[in-house]
Amino acid sequence: AQSVTQLGSHVSVSEGALVLLRCNYSSSVPPYLFWYVQYPNQGLQLLLKYTTGATLVKGINGFEAEFKKSETSFHLTKPSAHMSDAAEYFCAVSNNNNDMRFGAGTRLTVKP
Amino acid sequence: DADVTQTPRNRITKTGKRIMLECSQTKGHDRMYWYRQDPGLGLRLIYYSFDVKDINKGEISDGYSVSRQAQAKFSLSLESAIPNQTALYFCATSDLAGSSYNEQFFGPGTRLTVL
Repeated sequence: AQSVTQLGSHVSVSEGALVLLRCNYSSSVPPYLFWYVQYPNQGLQLLLKYTTGATLVKGINGFEAEFKKSETSFHLTKPSAHMSDAAEYFCAVSNNNNDMRFGAGTRLTVKP
Repeated sequence: DADVTQTPRNRITKTGKRIMLECSQTKGHDRMYWYRQDPGLGLRLIYYSFDVKDINKGEISDGYSVSRQAQAKFSLSLESAIPNQTALYFCATSDLAGSSYNEQFFGPGTRLTVL
């Protein structure tokens, strides 16, 4: 079965600084990879996903992630953090949609 | 209106009580899922259903049961609630067609506390 490891349960950045949230996956078959964001008291919202094709994936709110097969990674980045980016972020891996595995989550804090 | 709704949004109950959490969707998706979220553990799959006649256990199904009453409705039951079932519960849907292939759409969650 596939699995996901998110490095760092909490990440704090200053407003305007680079955001980097790390995700490594394990999968025996070509994976589908996702980043979801959860704002307080809300459900999960898809930021971006990788299925096939281009390995650099652009998502909503200026986020992007790059699928690196050799490193089994799918790190999430944003060049300049905004206060509204403060939330919890989940990386997930799936191979056939009925077995989506989530990481433990990374809480992003943005300081003024 | 929200595409995936969950009721109730919050519930406090006592050990041993039977609890039902309900999920409805207007997305027309065939696939529905129940997850629980615990701090530091992410989301874990409890049950999933690919259509009305199909129910499957997920990673942590013990102590839970589900019912798929219609394509749009998927209920989660705790037959005899216990304190370690205190968690945030999410319903999700997905479809195999179109640009949203393999993406799951989540409801707002139900916060359940078992005393």
